[in-house]
Order: sequence, then structure tokens, then C-alpha cells
Amino acid sequence: NAGVTQTPKFRVLKTGQSMTLLCAQDMNHEYMYWYRQDPGMGLRLIHYSVGEGTTAKGEVPDGYNVSRLKKQNFLLGLESAAPSQTSVYFCASTLPRENRKSSGANVLTFGAGSRLTVL
Amino acid sequence: AQSVSQHNHHVILSEAASLELGCNYSYGGTVNLFWYVQYPGQHLQLLLKYFSGDPLVKGIKGFEAEFIKSKFSFNLRKPSVQWSDTAEYFCAAGTYKYIFGTGTRLKVLA
Repeated sequence: NAGVTQTPKFRVLKTGQSMTLLCAQDMNHEYMYWYRQDPGMGLRLIHYSVGEGTTAKGEVPDGYNVSRLKKQNFLLGLESAAPSQTSVYFCASTLPRENRKSSGANVLTFGAGSRLTVL
Repeated sequence: AQSVSQHNHHVILSEAASLELGCNYSYGGTVNLFWYVQYPGQHLQLLLKYFSGDPLVKGIKGFEAEFIKSKFSFNLRKPSVQWSDTAEYFCAAGTYKYIFGTGTRLKVLA
């Protein structure tokens, strides 16, 4: 049981380049999230999804796009990378609390992170 | 707007000292509250959670937190910290959209 897997773990981009971060979970979780972590800023929510085919904006969505075509995958795209997007990106997933069979409902399971540097 | 505030950004304690980290939230309606911990080089793990019921919740490694609805607070406490508690601590709130605070870096001196 791998949990939440993020790829790639490290990436260096030049300003203006595009890339996609992939998050995959094998826990059949409904909800998935992308956060960025920056020193002194904590974790800030970029986008999230409450089910396959749905996405919603978080606190800092500008410059990012997401897609949830399959329940187990949540993709984060940068169409034109900027130095301000240099960060560590974390994906997370959980079950809704209505799923009372799971003691882990509403508890986020995080991936190991993806460190992105934009030059 | 939904928000989570952590007032202590850096805390340095000696081993065996008591710890209290503040967390205040602004969230409409019922909200779930969490404390997560990030040890150096690792990703976030759950320390404890509050959904409903007893406002004093106990988590792993001797941590506890108290939900005070009238103060919109969910402060984290530990009576006696250890060197291994050195980490960054994050308060979070939400029901399906989870917002995190800016984190508190705790350093425990041996």
C-alpha cells in the first residue's frame, strides 16, 4: 500500500517552461489537494478536488491548473513557470467524514513532496 | 474568509519544559480541527484531531489540545517536551477545504 505518491520529487525549470506534477493515491480517497510550502508561510492550498471530474480553487490558485480525470490521480500543472513558484509542493488526500467506516476520514495523508525550482 | 492563525513562529525550549502553541481559526459553521507535525526531512503527520465531543483531545507522543469554541482556539500542549519533539507544528481547520496556519518551529535543547 503506497499511500500518496508524487512525481517527480525534484525538478528545475526555466522561467516560462511548463510542467505537470502527478499525485497518485491508492486508498480510494474522494478528496485530493495540492499545497505549496514556503518558509514562514506554512502550507497554502492551491487547488483541491472533492471527487473525480471536480476541482476547486484554494487560497493561491493563480498560475496553476489542475485536473482529476481519474479518482486516484490529481495533476497540478504550471503552464508558464515563474520564479515565485519555486517551492515544495505537497499532495494530500482523504475520505469525507461521511465515510464513518474509516477512522482516517477527514485526516489528510500527505505525499513526500516535490521540490520545484524555477530559474 | 477562512483562516488559521498561529502566533508563535519560533519556540525554543529546554527538555522537560512545558509547551503551549496557540492556534486561532476563522471558519463559518462546524469545523474540524487538527494539529500536524513535520519532523526534519519528513512529510506531515497527524498529531491529533477534534471533530466533536470532549473539547480536550489527546494525541500521539503525549500531546493534547483543547478546543475553546468561544475563543475560536485550538491550542496544543505538552507537559514535558523531549529533544525528539524538535519539529514544525501546523494547526489546520476545515471540513473538506483544509486551511493551514503558518506553522511553529519548535527547537528543544537537550
